[in-house]
Amino acid sequence: DTGVSQDPRHKITKRGQNVTFRCDPISEHNRLYWYRQTLGQGPEFLTYFQNEAQLEKSRLLSDRFSAERPKGSFSTLEIQRTEQGDSAMYLCASSLGLSGPTDTQYFGPGTRLTVL
Amino acid sequence: GNSVTQMEGPVTLSEEAFLTINCTYTATGYPSLFWYVQYPGEGLQLLLKATKADDKGSNKGFEATYRKETTSFHLEKGSVQVSDSAVYFCALRLTGGGNKLTFGTGTQLKVEL
Repeated sequence: DTGVSQDPRHKITKRGQNVTFRCDPISEHNRLYWYRQTLGQGPEFLTYFQNEAQLEKSRLLSDRFSAERPKGSFSTLEIQRTEQGDSAMYLCASSLGLSGPTDTQYFGPGTRLTVL
Repeated sequence: GNSVTQMEGPVTLSEEAFLTINCTYTATGYPSLFWYVQYPGEGLQLLLKATKADDKGSNKGFEATYRKETTSFHLEKGSVQVSDSAVYFCALRLTGGGNKLTFGTGTQLKVEL
């Protein structure tokens, strides 16, 4: 299966610690997206990359959050000095990057973060 | 701003019942519309999509028609199965603008024998 993969699937950390998540998109997909989903809510957009360039960031992405996609393939999302409010499912998605309305995002299984 | 409103759940149906999950949207531009499904313990999967007015997306017996005049994209299925139990998310993406998806809050469907 060559879908979007994320690692780890679950992360439990203590408040104040730093955490890093990894996302491997579908090969040949140029765009990579990060979303956050809290319990009972729909996913909320955080940021996206076109190849290695980070083209858009949500206001939800505070200074404690940083995302990279250094070689245009996998991406990492780091949260520094975690807070209990950061507890959520972090979703990664990728797409081919087609122009127009037909570009479709495919999602990974997510990383569930619990901050104690 | 852009937003998606879905009917609240949970929706509980008997097997073979007809399903409708309402979705309406507000958008500053001309969006593409999507339904994603999240089965228990799994990630989001694209169920169907429509990219312009009056388009009908369909997959696995589910259908939704893009209604620009009522800004709606209601999900329907004629006969649900227990295996359809999941959370369903309606979403929009603006054409020619940002590439982000804007999701509704999701509607949980429970199908019982």
